[in-house]
Amino acid sequence: NAGVTQTPKFQVLKTGQSMTLQCAQDMNHNSMYWYRQDPGMGLRLIYYSASEGTTDKGEVPNGYNVSRLNKREFSLRLESAAPSQTSVYFCASSTGTVNTEAFFGQGTRLTVV
Amino acid sequence: AQKITQTQPGMFVQEKEAVTLDCTYDTSDPSYGLFWYKQPSSGEMIFLIYQGSYDQQNATEGRYSLNFQKARKSANLVISASQLGDSAMYFCAMREGVSGNTGKLIFGQGTTLQVKP
Repeated sequence: NAGVTQTPKFQVLKTGQSMTLQCAQDMNHNSMYWYRQDPGMGLRLIYYSASEGTTDKGEVPNGYNVSRLNKREFSLRLESAAPSQTSVYFCASSTGTVNTEAFFGQGTRLTVV
Repeated sequence: AQKITQTQPGMFVQEKEAVTLDCTYDTSDPSYGLFWYKQPSSGEMIFLIYQGSYDQQNATEGRYSLNFQKARKSANLVISASQLGDSAMYFCAMREGVSGNTGKLIFGQGTTLQVKP
């Protein structure tokens, strides 16, 4: 049972390069999320998708785009990477109801130089 | 707007003692859920405990309990009989529920707990 799978685990980008972080879940969850984790800032919500076909901005959406490709997959795209986007990125999924926990991927450590 | 605040960046506790990690929240939604997660140094996020806004009793899961004070909008995590393996970062999180199960889940800044032998 894979749960939530993120790829890649590590990535180094040069400023201005683009990349897509992939996330897939096999739990038939409706809701999916992208967070970034920075020291002292906790986890901040970038974008989320309450259900297939919908996406909404979170707390820190600038510089990112997302695609909910289908119920399983939710990708995060950096069109022109900046050093300020150096962070650890987590994808998560849940059923979306108020009383169910989210399940997390293992994280992607992204460095932009 | 929904907000979660953890005011303790770091905490120390002696092994076998109890420790309380603070969490306050703000929401205008009468239906919400509160969650605590543990993040060890390996980086994975581990779900610990859940409390619903309409739950009459405080949640408990083994050595973890949640001290839920609704009027004060606080949801503190209590870890009893601390173990060395409890050393980790702990996050409080909240999901609002009334607005059509949007499932938006937001987190606090986290508290790093170190257990001393």
